[in-house]
Amino acid sequence: DTGVSQDPRHKITKRGQNVTFRCDPISEHNRLYWYRQTLGQGPEFLTYFQNEAQLEKSRLLSDRFSAERPKGSFSTLEIQRTEQGDSAMYLCASTLGGEQYFGPGTRLTVT
Amino acid sequence: AQKVTQAQTEISVVEKEDVTLDCVYETRDTTYYLFWYKQPPSGELVFLIRRNSFDEQNEISGRYSWNFQKSTSSFNFTITASQVVDSAVYFCALSDLTDSWGKLQFGAGTQVVVTP
Repeated sequence: DTGVSQDPRHKITKRGQNVTFRCDPISEHNRLYWYRQTLGQGPEFLTYFQNEAQLEKSRLLSDRFSAERPKGSFSTLEIQRTEQGDSAMYLCASTLGGEQYFGPGTRLTVT
Repeated sequence: AQKVTQAQTEISVVEKEDVTLDCVYETRDTTYYLFWYKQPPSGELVFLIRRNSFDEQNEISGRYSWNFQKSTSSFNFTITASQVVDSAVYFCALSDLTDSWGKLQFGAGTQVVVTP
């Protein structure tokens, strides 16, 4: 199965530390999205790539957040100086332009 | 601005009962897509259906059916003869051209609990 994969699945970090998550989309998909989901809520859009170009960033994405997709394949999401409010599930999705296929997510806990 | 409302927080049914999940959306665009996703306890979002704004034909897929009504801005989802494996959170989502193509606006989700 070559679905969307994310690594790590779980991350526990102390407040103030930096964390980086990775997403590997379905290989032929040119669009990649990052979402954040908190308990009891639906996913919220964070940012979007078409190939290697980051085309949109949500207001939710503060300056502490940065995302890259260097060769139009995998993507990374980095959070600097983590805060307790960053605790959430970070979801990655990819598509060719129709429905989005989601990865299993990275659950971040900031202590 | 686009908005998706799922007013039902949780629905509990006994196996074999039918369950209908409501979804009401708001958008200024005439071209948009509506989606349903399932999120089982494992956490991974599973795509169920995509409909475009020009196709109001209802759809049935096995025990699942969808009722799209533009007049009431609703896209409701029915599970017929529910099974324990249907227990999950179900999300309705909207994608339009207001901000960028493809970005999904999700509702808050409806938790479905099916007991034997």
